[in-house]
Amino acid sequence: EAGVAQSPRYKIIEKRQSVAFWCNPISGHATLYWYQQILGQGPKLLIQFQNNGVVDDSQLPKDRFSAERLKGVDSTLKIQPAKLEDSAVYLCASSFGDSQETQYFGPGTRLLVL
Amino acid sequence: QKEVEQDPGPLSVPEGAIVSLNCTYSNSAFQYFMWYRQYSRKGPELLMYTYSSGNKEDGRFTAQVDKSSKYISLFIRDSQPSDSATYLCAMRKMAGTALIFGKGTTLSVSS
Repeated sequence: EAGVAQSPRYKIIEKRQSVAFWCNPISGHATLYWYQQILGQGPKLLIQFQNNGVVDDSQLPKDRFSAERLKGVDSTLKIQPAKLEDSAVYLCASSFGDSQETQYFGPGTRLLVL
Repeated sequence: QKEVEQDPGPLSVPEGAIVSLNCTYSNSAFQYFMWYRQYSRKGPELLMYTYSSGNKEDGRFTAQVDKSSKYISLFIRDSQPSDSATYLCAMRKMAGTALIFGKGTTLSVSS
């Protein structure tokens, strides 16, 4: 079974530029999550999708971050404009959405904002 | 006070040692407790999953949850160099809700 795929793996941009990350979840997984992991911290949820609907985006900085999952499969996360404090690893995870709901994580995209 | 507290370490042990990792939490609504292992430059992978209080064992790993003390532990027996990683505790209130993670404890097992 293929795991969660993410691209790019690394990205370096200057502040005020825009950047987009892509995630393809495990086939059949209805729930998709984007987490932000700052160096030395645990992952923090940014947004949760159930199919193509948003379940939880309470911690998403909506003035600069946006995310979509138009067809209920893959998803993109965008930052515009980026700030220095956005430097982090952006992790995508997916799950079946059942009662146990094991979340499977992708390798992450490492973003450095200069 | 953070919802989940975890000592970041680092923790260094010799091969074969018993390792004890733990987290405390403040929200009594948490019911689902997990331990994830994260190797450098990789995503977290689920190690142990426990619902409510009690113990769970899987090979060399044992997870314990004490809801009365709001304290969870992960024990690793006969630790191996391949166990060197960051261990993250995570918890959530209900199925289908967001995971709340600790900071992670970095473990190094030397041969």
